[in-house]
Amino acid sequence: DAGVIQSPRHEVTEMGQEVTLRCKPISGHDYLFWYRQTMMRGLELLIYFNNNVPIDDSGMPEDRFSAKMPNASFSTLKIQPSEPRDSAVYFCATLDRGGTEAFFGQGTRLTVV
Amino acid sequence: GQQLNQSPQSMFIQEGEDVSMNCTSSSIFNTWLWYKQDPGEGPVLLIALYKAGELTSNGRLTAQFGITRKDSFLNISASIPSDVGIYFCAGQNAGGTSYGKLTFGQGTILTVHP
Repeated sequence: DAGVIQSPRHEVTEMGQEVTLRCKPISGHDYLFWYRQTMMRGLELLIYFNNNVPIDDSGMPEDRFSAKMPNASFSTLKIQPSEPRDSAVYFCATLDRGGTEAFFGQGTRLTVV
Repeated sequence: GQQLNQSPQSMFIQEGEDVSMNCTSSSIFNTWLWYKQDPGEGPVLLIALYKAGELTSNGRLTAQFGITRKDSFLNISASIPSDVGIYFCAGQNAGGTSYGKLTFGQGTILTVHP
């Protein structure tokens, strides 16, 4: 397996634009997590899914953020409209039920100007 | 919510020196994990600890799960330049709706001078 695949690796966008981040989990992993990493706040859990169903979205900062998992092999995190304070590295991670190790993607570095 | 305090925030050491970092929590966890993040990459698991009091080694790495289940430490012996990176502790609970959810410490930035 190629691991968790995120796209794009880098995204630069203007304030107010819609941004969509994508994640392809490891095949067979039941859990999918979206994290945000900044210097100030470290790694924060935004939302996670179990079997494509959102379980906990309490970390989603505002209504501007939304996440979907339409099937077991794809998830998106959308920011609309984007703001400069959304600039961060966004990670997707997946976990197999019964496992402990969450595997992370390489992240998407988002810059909102 | 659960909070993890990780220290130190950063370390600058000479190659060959030993390193120690630790994490404390305001509440208990069933599992403690230590991750390393290289520049431009996502965190990668180094060691997982499953039982209070457990001491586990992985090469030059040694980690312990505190008896109270509220703390853990990581030691790196005989550091080498490729140990450079950010080290994160993480707590995980196995039950209920929180299954798999990781709470991360703030990270320790390690710099190793040759």
